[in-house]
Amino acid sequence: SQTIHQWPATLVQPVGSPLSLECTVEGTSNPNLYWYRQAAGRGLQLLFYSVGIGQISSEVPQNLSASRPQDRQFILSSKKLLLSDSGFYLCAWSSGQSNSPLHFGNGTRLTVT
Amino acid sequence: QKEVEQNSGPLSVPEGAIASLNCTYSDRVSQSFFWYRQYSGKSPELIMSIYSNGDKEDGRFTAQLNKASQYVSLLIRDSQPSDSATYLCAVNGPGYALNFGKGTSLLVTP
Repeated sequence: SQTIHQWPATLVQPVGSPLSLECTVEGTSNPNLYWYRQAAGRGLQLLFYSVGIGQISSEVPQNLSASRPQDRQFILSSKKLLLSDSGFYLCAWSSGQSNSPLHFGNGTRLTVT
Repeated sequence: QKEVEQNSGPLSVPEGAIASLNCTYSDRVSQSFFWYRQYSGKSPELIMSIYSNGDKEDGRFTAQLNKASQYVSLLIRDSQPSDSATYLCAVNGPGYALNFGKGTSLLVTP
């Protein structure tokens, strides 16, 4: 069966510090991968998605970036965090077929201080 | 921007009652519709998917889709306190991603 791992579970970082969140998927090949953010009191915001290695689509212009160095690895990064980057970051995967649902990791709660 | 709208609630129902959660979407060509449940502090988990007009039942859950009215609903029969959570409606978006509503908070009281 497929599993998705996301770490760390919680993170507290000062403003201006870098960020790296990692996500890996097991038990499937060529998944579509996604990064979402859920800020307090707000809905799930799509940040990035990838349909293959090295291919990244950005939905929201901001100081975050994403990379997919391997088929089942997705990384979210920032060079300098802002207070507004605080939130619950969720990695998800889908089979890449139309009509397929997303399956989420356990998420990373990021607090920027 | 393709919109997915939900009443934020909270929707409060007594234990054993039917909870009815509603969602509207703006993109008329949307094809895939999903309901997720999210407990406080946890990630969303898939409850149901629906692709065709009409009803789809899975245990105590029934999803209803009306594409002409751009309306999706979720019924939860025999509601239990463990059903208390936020329910997210999702509609297909770019790159097979999903666009989510902000969710409806459901509280089932014993």
